Amino acid sequence: EVQLLESGGGLVQPGGSLRLSCAASGFTFSSFAMSWVRQAPGRGLEWVSSISGSGGTTYNADSAKGRFTISRDNSRNTLYLQMDSLRVEDTAVFYCAKRSNWNGGCFDWWGQGTLVTVSS
Amino acid sequence: EIVLTQSPDTLSLSPGERATLSCRASQSVSGNYLAWYQEEPGQAPRLLIYDASSRATGIPDRFSGSGSGTDFSLTISRLEPEDFAVYYCQQYGSSPLTFGGGTKVEI
Repeated sequence: EVQLLESGGGLVQPGGSLRLSCAASGFTFSSFAMSWVRQAPGRGLEWVSSISGSGGTTYNADSAKGRFTISRDNSRNTLYLQMDSLRVEDTAVFYCAKRSNWNGGCFDWWGQGTLVTVSS
Repeated sequence: EIVLTQSPDTLSLSPGERATLSCRASQSVSGNYLAWYQEEPGQAPRLLIYDASSRATGIPDRFSGSGSGTDFSLTISRLEPEDFAVYYCQQYGSSPLTFGGGTKVEI
């Protein structure tokens, strides 16, 4: 069974940095694109960033460009999101999501999420 | 960017009734690459429908998706107690990937 386990969330001050991790199991990790999706408190879902199965191609939402970096280590079956210059409006639950094919597709499996709180 | 508008915001129904949720795109969704997700309180979203009308693995056949181009819908034929949740549509045909604002199905 597919399992995605996020970690690394927490409380950080505005302007600070945080690195999220997502440990994947139950599927051939390198064969599928992966993404991060977030949900601010009481709000809807927002796509943040995606990476291809090989890691060679990445895509970012405008809100993440220049501040967030997605990466993956296929030898460790782990997805990462490095978040710098964090803002109060980045406060959200961040979900790791598996894509349905190597280069994209829908989000067919989701982790339980990790809460990021940006506050002074 | 493709903007997805879901309606209604809230749907108040009873168990056993039929629910029809709408998702309208600001421009045509490439390949009809549109998905529907269910989100229950405190839980991660779950994929219900992909490619506009294909049910995901393990999803009951009371859930069905239809539509093409700019107009899509999700139908729940007979509501079960566990179906009262928030539903999101999402397009993955073009970047940036976008979600609708959600429809809450409540008792």
